[in-house]
Amino acid sequence: DAGVTQSPTHLIKTRGQQVTLRCSPISGHKSVSWYQQVLGQGPQFIFQYYEKEERGRGNFPDRFSARQFPNYSSELNVNALLLGDSALYLCASSLAAGGETQYFGPGTRLLVL
Amino acid sequence: GNSVTQMEGPVTLSEEAFLTINCTYTATGYPSLFWYVQYPGEGLQLLLKATKADDKGSNKGFEATYRKETTSFHLEKGSVQVSDSAVYFCALSEFSGGFKTIFGAGTRLFVKA
Repeated sequence: DAGVTQSPTHLIKTRGQQVTLRCSPISGHKSVSWYQQVLGQGPQFIFQYYEKEERGRGNFPDRFSARQFPNYSSELNVNALLLGDSALYLCASSLAAGGETQYFGPGTRLLVL
Repeated sequence: GNSVTQMEGPVTLSEEAFLTINCTYTATGYPSLFWYVQYPGEGLQLLLKATKADDKGSNKGFEATYRKETTSFHLEKGSVQVSDSAVYFCALSEFSGGFKTIFGAGTRLFVKA
């Protein structure tokens, strides 16, 4: 079975632009979470979606938004990019929300110039 | 707010040495606790987990016990191998105004032959 897939793998944007990152969960998983990982640090929680509804939100500004589609895939949008948004963005899927084991994708590396 | 603190690395050990990586947490409720591992060139993957106090998670010779009284979830292995060289992340997941997963900063382990 395919694992969690993310696209694109790498992305370069300039300050002020907008970006959309995509994630496809493992088949049968209904929950998707998004994380930001800066080099040398642990992943920082951004959002969790379950059954197309937001079930959790981390301490990120409103420039960050996400949605989950009927097929349980998800998009993360970041508006008005800042240099500090440069990071690895990880998507993780799980069977349900809450304290479930999460399965991580390889990530999208975003560089903001 | 809730947080996870783990010992700073890098930790360098010789093969067959005993490993302990300390992890403590703060949480308002009763979180699930996890250790995730990231091997060189690979994505994050679950190593072990525990969902309630006094539970012991174990996998691949690694163990960690959920200690509510000391709010700790220390990772141990009796005899490390070179192949255990990786970055280890302690994490908690709980419902606190929404579902959230919080990761520690990670501890890099180097095992020498």
